Amino acid sequence: EVQLVESGGGLVQPGGSLRLSCAASGFTFSSYSMNWVRQAPGKGLEWVSYISSSSSTIYYADSVKGRFTISRDNAKNSLYLQMNSLRDEDTAVYYCARASSDYWGQGTLVTVSS
Amino acid sequence: SYELTQPSSVSVSPGQTARITCSGDVLAKKYARWFQQKPGQAPVLVIYKDSERPSGIPERFSGSSSGTTVTLTISGAQVEDEADYYCYSAADNNRVFGGGTKLTVL
Repeated sequence: EVQLVESGGGLVQPGGSLRLSCAASGFTFSSYSMNWVRQAPGKGLEWVSYISSSSSTIYYADSVKGRFTISRDNAKNSLYLQMNSLRDEDTAVYYCARASSDYWGQGTLVTVSS
Repeated sequence: SYELTQPSSVSVSPGQTARITCSGDVLAKKYARWFQQKPGQAPVLVIYKDSERPSGIPERFSGSSSGTTVTLTISGAQVEDEADYYCYSAADNNRVFGGGTKLTVL
């Protein structure tokens, strides 16, 4: 069974940092590109970042470029999102998903507030 | 960057056909996907490549494309289809979701 489980969310002050993780199982993680997608409370879905299977291609939304870094460890079947210089508007549930969009995690909540 | 535009809401009675549109210049060149999201749940893919349906998605869900507009059609909408629906497309170094459409079935 394919599973994606996010962790690492929590409350952080503006300007702070947080690292999200996504543990993958039930499929050959190293063969799939991955996305991070977020959803602010009561708002729509927003794509955040993309990473190819070998990490050779990485894209970011303009809203997070220069502050967030996506990475992966295929040996550990894990996807990461390092979030720095966090702002109030980064408050959201963060989902990891296969780039084919067929499987999503349940999300982890990041709250940026003083 | 580019944008995808959806109506904010659509309302139908049970058994009627619901149509949700998504417009954007990128759709003339790139495929769209559609997602269903119910409160407190992760999105679920219901259509990919404009009109393909993943396994497990009911046949009443279908997709079509014409020019810069794609349409999600739910034929014989059920009460359980009430949800938010998002279109999505990817081009070059960008991926974007539409703003979402709240489908009410009552």
